[in-house]
Amino acid sequence: DAKTTQPTSMDCAEGRAANLPCNHSTISGNEYVYWYRQIHSQGPQYIIHGLKNNETNEMASLIITEDRKSSTLILPHATLRDTAVYYCIVRRRVGGANNLFFGTGTRLTVIP
Amino acid sequence: GAGVSQTPSNKVTEKGKYVELRCDPISGHTALYWYRQSLGQGPEFLIYFQGTGAADDSGLPNDRFFAVRPEGSVSTLKIQRTERGDSAVYLCASSRLAGGQETQYFGPGTRLLVL
Repeated sequence: DAKTTQPTSMDCAEGRAANLPCNHSTISGNEYVYWYRQIHSQGPQYIIHGLKNNETNEMASLIITEDRKSSTLILPHATLRDTAVYYCIVRRRVGGANNLFFGTGTRLTVIP
Repeated sequence: GAGVSQTPSNKVTEKGKYVELRCDPISGHTALYWYRQSLGQGPEFLIYFQGTGAADDSGLPNDRFFAVRPEGSVSTLKIQRTERGDSAVYLCASSRLAGGQETQYFGPGTRLLVL
C-alpha cells in the first residue's frame, strides 16, 4: 500500500475550518484514501474515505485532487472535541494487506 | 449496536509473566485485527483473522506473541514471558469483511505495563 506524508502538527481556532493535508504521491488507481482520528486515550475512530470523488459525511469532507496525489480532510467548524491525532491512510480496494498502516499522523490542536 | 470491547482496560504485570488480552468484536464481523501502539507512535499491525484462522500474522514481533479466535468471534492475544518493551496499548479492530473497502472499527484498547 502507498505511503502518506502529513504535517506533524497543526493548530486551529475553535469554530474555524480545520484543513488537514495529506500527500500520497505514489497512490495507485485501485487504492482508497482513508482518514481516522485518535482522541487521547481512545482507539482510532473512522472518519471518512474516498477513491477519486470528493466525499462528505456528518463528520467531515474529503477533497481529493484530480491526480489523486494529495487530499485534504476538512472539519468545517472545529470544536475542542476535535483535538486529536489525524491519520491519512491509503488502502487497496482488493488484494494487498488488509491491515491499516497508520504512520505518525497530524496532531491537531483546536484552540479556544 | 455495541462496538468493539476489550478487557481488561489496564493490565500491570511483572517481567516474565504471562498475560492474556481479550477482544469482543462487533457482532457479525468476520474480520478481526490486533494492533500495538507505543507512546507517541501510530498503531502497528500485529495479526489479522478471517473467521477462525489467522490470515496474516506477519506483524507479530516474535514467538512470545500468539493469538487465537476459536469460534470466529472473541479473540485472545497471549503474551508469554513478558518484557518491559512489551508495554504498550494493544488495540483490537473488527470489520464486516476483510478487504480494502471495509471500514475497521476499533476498541478502546488495553494498556499493558510490564514492570
